[in-house]
Amino acid sequence: GAVVSQHPSWVICKSGTSVKIECRSLDFQATTMFWYRQFPKQSLMLMATSNEGSKATYEQGVEKDKFLINHASLTLSTLTVTSAHPEDSSFYICSARDPTGVVEKLFFGSGTQLSVL
Amino acid sequence: AQKVTQAQTEISVVEKEDVTLDCVYETRDTTYYLFWYKQPPSGELVFLIRRNSFDEQNEISGRYSWNFQKSTSSFNFTITASQVVDSAVYFCALAGYSTLTFGKGTMLLVSP
Repeated sequence: GAVVSQHPSWVICKSGTSVKIECRSLDFQATTMFWYRQFPKQSLMLMATSNEGSKATYEQGVEKDKFLINHASLTLSTLTVTSAHPEDSSFYICSARDPTGVVEKLFFGSGTQLSVL
Repeated sequence: AQKVTQAQTEISVVEKEDVTLDCVYETRDTTYYLFWYKQPPSGELVFLIRRNSFDEQNEISGRYSWNFQKSTSSFNFTITASQVVDSAVYFCALAGYSTLTFGKGTMLLVSP
């Protein structure tokens, strides 16, 4: 079964509204979670690395104020797309790494398709 | 900087054909991991294999096989006797300690 739960699976919203996406690790405590974005027919692009209890580290070109990441507990990280616009429409995927720190134990959520009208 | 190149953007085959997906990588790290993931139309990522940089043994798992050649920085993936259910986007990825760099993916279309 899934070890990382991501919700919602899809969301449609009006331009200007904010959307929150949740990523939960179900069977382990994840000290680090990652957020990726994928445009149609393109690869996954890392947006930010989220560490529990500290500020997220954003990749170059990703707006911190636009994509708010909160990792308040060892099992939950949230990505909030603030004042969403049509160009934010994309497929967002989270991943979580278990506390042993072994790279292979990187589990992915099922993704969230965001459509901004 | 790390880089993963999947030169084949789309491959179309007929069922039962063998197909190889290419992956070439660049890294300055002496220790690293290589992965293949499958992304079916539903969107989720399915882990297929991990290989570390010290293990150049080729691996076979059912109809899947992987050829890791450090000398050419390649980690190619072969599907033998392809099936329609193999149709998906396949991503090759390279990992350091805390992040993965993905290739752009290869879309495989297997027709009956």
